Amino acid sequence: DADVTQTPRNRITKTGKRIMLECSQTKGHDRMYWYRQDPGLGLRLIYYSFDVKDINKGEISDGYSVSRQAQAKFSLSLESAIPNQTALYFCATSAERGGETQYFGPGTRLLVL
Amino acid sequence: GQQLNQSPQSMFIQEGEDVSMNCTSSSIFNTWLWYKQDPGEGPVLLIALYKAGELTSNGRLTAQFGITRKDSFLNISASIPSDVGIYFCAGRRGGTSYGKLTFGQGTILTVHP
Repeated sequence: DADVTQTPRNRITKTGKRIMLECSQTKGHDRMYWYRQDPGLGLRLIYYSFDVKDINKGEISDGYSVSRQAQAKFSLSLESAIPNQTALYFCATSAERGGETQYFGPGTRLLVL
Repeated sequence: GQQLNQSPQSMFIQEGEDVSMNCTSSSIFNTWLWYKQDPGEGPVLLIALYKAGELTSNGRLTAQFGITRKDSFLNISASIPSDVGIYFCAGRRGGTSYGKLTFGQGTILTVHP
């Protein structure tokens, strides 16, 4: 079984809808991250969490919110989706020591119409 | 905004050829990482570099941490079809940035048999 899982893998939604992307990990890592990937822009950090009580904004947090419900779960919400949030979204985890090695989930492809 | 400039953006090569790509920044990084993303999957770590001037190999891959700490290079020797994918550099600064990575835009590699 995969160490980092994301659900759903694909999602089509309409402008203005609220949606949630979920991430679960079995690696026992404290640190979790949400990125979005757009062609030609690489991976950009949306939010990150270093433990259950810790939430931090990344470089592109506007229009997004997150919830760290447990060590193993980190969810990303789009309160009111807009078309320029169409992208590939990745969750990642890392251990506190050796935190530069991040382990990525398989991604969620989101299309906002 | 994006702080790592990765080049080239894409490469089309014949099987057996060597490949070189690089990443530059206006800022100093304490760690440089190289990831590969296969189609439909999340990025996977290939090589991690921790010291200026360090040269590290992983099979046919060799990466170097630039002396100025503002750049890094990745070489792939004798390319094979399964080298196809997107290669990302990533850097980590120290201090309060610990655990956070900044990614380059990616190099799309296509290998013709």
